[in-house]
Amino acid sequence: GDSVTQMEGPVTLSEEAFLTINCTYTATGYPSLFWYVQYPGEGLQLLLKATKADDKGSNKGFEATYRKETTSFHLEKGSVQVSDSAVYFCALLTDSWGKLQFGAGTQVVVTP
Amino acid sequence: NAGVTQTPKFQVLKTGQSMTLQCAQDMNHNSMYWYRQDPGMGLRLIYYSASEGTTDKGEVPNGYNVSRLNKREFSLRLESAAPSQTSVYFCASSAAERGAQYFGPGTRLTVL
Repeated sequence: GDSVTQMEGPVTLSEEAFLTINCTYTATGYPSLFWYVQYPGEGLQLLLKATKADDKGSNKGFEATYRKETTSFHLEKGSVQVSDSAVYFCALLTDSWGKLQFGAGTQVVVTP
Repeated sequence: NAGVTQTPKFQVLKTGQSMTLQCAQDMNHNSMYWYRQDPGMGLRLIYYSASEGTTDKGEVPNGYNVSRLNKREFSLRLESAAPSQTSVYFCASSAAERGAQYFGPGTRLTVL
């Protein structure tokens, strides 16, 4: 079945460091891929998405490229801020009715 | 613009008690979803409703029932709560079957 694998956290960084969170997937068909972010005590917010191979999603300085050949959708940000501290979820969508398959989440902690 | 709202925000139940979690969206979305979030497990789909008048089981439906009251509202009912249902519950909605999902702020439920 479909699945998503994310790197385990927590990932601890200093402010202005480069962030990468690895995400790989297994799916039949041609999934859409998403990154969601969850700040403490809040619900999930859509961060970015890509719907086909080689698409690049971007938002708030974050980027991720849909790589079909390596079945990956790694999240990157060039210079993190303390306000980026959150849990990040990679997810894929393959079913026609919209079921999302989530990874386990990666906690990111950014220190001043 | 309220988006997706959930009530209550917090709830404590005793084993065997029943309760209903409420969810409403004001984005005119067709599809709605209920997830539970447990540490280290990401989000798991409980039930979903692809459109008004239809509901289907997700990955972990046992112990839950749902009602799609109208296009805006989708409720989740626990008939006889168990400690294993202690979790954070999120409602989500999406406009299209393969579109991005938008999440509510969550309900933190503790079953003693």
